[in-house]
Amino acid sequence: GQNIDQPTEMTATEGAIVQINCTYQTSGFNGLFWYQQHAGEAPTFLSYNVLDGLEEKGRFSSFLSRSKGYSYLLLKELQMKDSASYLCAVRGAGNNRKLIWGLGTSLAVNP
Amino acid sequence: DAEITQSPRHKITETGRQVTLACHQTWNHNNMFWYRQDLGHGLRLIHYSYGVHDTNKGEVSDGYSVSRSNTEDLPLTLESAASSQTSVYFCASSSGSNTGELFFGEGSRLTVL
Repeated sequence: GQNIDQPTEMTATEGAIVQINCTYQTSGFNGLFWYQQHAGEAPTFLSYNVLDGLEEKGRFSSFLSRSKGYSYLLLKELQMKDSASYLCAVRGAGNNRKLIWGLGTSLAVNP
Repeated sequence: DAEITQSPRHKITETGRQVTLACHQTWNHNNMFWYRQDLGHGLRLIHYSYGVHDTNKGEVSDGYSVSRSNTEDLPLTLESAASSQTSVYFCASSSGSNTGELFFGEGSRLTVL
């Protein structure tokens, strides 16, 4: 079967660094996405990884290891506005452009 | 600026009624998707379309239908609303490029009484 696992909840302190992990088991792989979703709002795109390694974009970085079926999202210099749900999603291979979604990790940033 | 809009944003209806949720995008994207989001289930795909006159069933398509008569619109119809269809519905579109980034509408909160 196809499955994506990520922690349900995490808590961190303003100014700190937090790492949100995502492990996946899918029948094919053609990219992994991270989205941010604030309460009551739509998801917004954060990052895309298709090759192994680290992709850095400002305070946010995303890492992928295809051999391990593993990714993480790293958030640096946490701000209160980073309190949100972070969704991991994997795209299948070939012509299957649909995404398989994790349930999301709810991050609370405390002062 | 290009955008994707949904309407209505909030709707309350009764069991058995037909409901249509509209989705309109000005990105000129070929790919459009409808998801529902419920606590404990995450985002679940209802229907999707890869172009005009193309529609496909997702993982939770029973009780829903879509049509794609032009590039911009993908309306979602609940033929006979059921309480189990109370949810938040998101429309999304993508260009079909390698990154496949999804652009989401603001969501439509539907309550079926």
